[in-house]
Amino acid sequence: GQQVMQIPQYQHVQEGEDFTTYCNSSTTLSNIQWYKQRPGGHPVFLIQLVKSGEVKKQKRLTFQFGEAKKNSSLHITATQTTDVGTYFCAGIPDGNKLVFGAGTILRVKS
Amino acid sequence: ETGVTQSPTHLIKTRGQQVTLRCSSQSGHNTVSWYQQALGQGPQFIFQYYREEENGRGNFPPRFSGLQFPNYSSELNVNALELDDSALYLCASSPAGGNYGYTFGSGTRLTVV
Repeated sequence: GQQVMQIPQYQHVQEGEDFTTYCNSSTTLSNIQWYKQRPGGHPVFLIQLVKSGEVKKQKRLTFQFGEAKKNSSLHITATQTTDVGTYFCAGIPDGNKLVFGAGTILRVKS
Repeated sequence: ETGVTQSPTHLIKTRGQQVTLRCSSQSGHNTVSWYQQALGQGPQFIFQYYREEENGRGNFPPRFSGLQFPNYSSELNVNALELDDSALYLCASSPAGGNYGYTFGSGTRLTVV
């Protein structure tokens, strides 16, 4: 079954508000990757985190990898309508099998 | 630099038939993975090929099989199609075994009737 859990399933925010999605794995991950999928589109790679406790920023997006390498988060500051889409985390719990979370759907009201 | 291209974009098949989906990896990428994405769900890992060898497989039955060619392009074959096989099939490529993230193609929308 699904080894990578993601919450919330869905979030609807007002433009300008912040947004956070959380990812939890039942096992230690060698790395965590984040993807964005626009409605009707395909996943687009955002970033990869490898080190325990790692924090990376991309403009208004902040990504964190937990100390135990079992959880991660993506935080968006001051959301814009262009942020709309589904955000997926994905990790490799064993071998070469990249496991995706179920995703968090972000909707932004302007 | 071209990205990942998949063909066909859409396909309708009858239950019991066989289908072959094709993927051209991004230039310089030697690793190709295939995923099945049902509506409203995350991509589910089918299998991965690295330098023409399968080096990872998800929880899919043997009727899902694949190939990777010397130019690193790939095929996904599904035999004895079932209604539940209806989904978006995504191909993704990566350099160096997937350790630097994957570039996804636009997918093939398969409908089994």
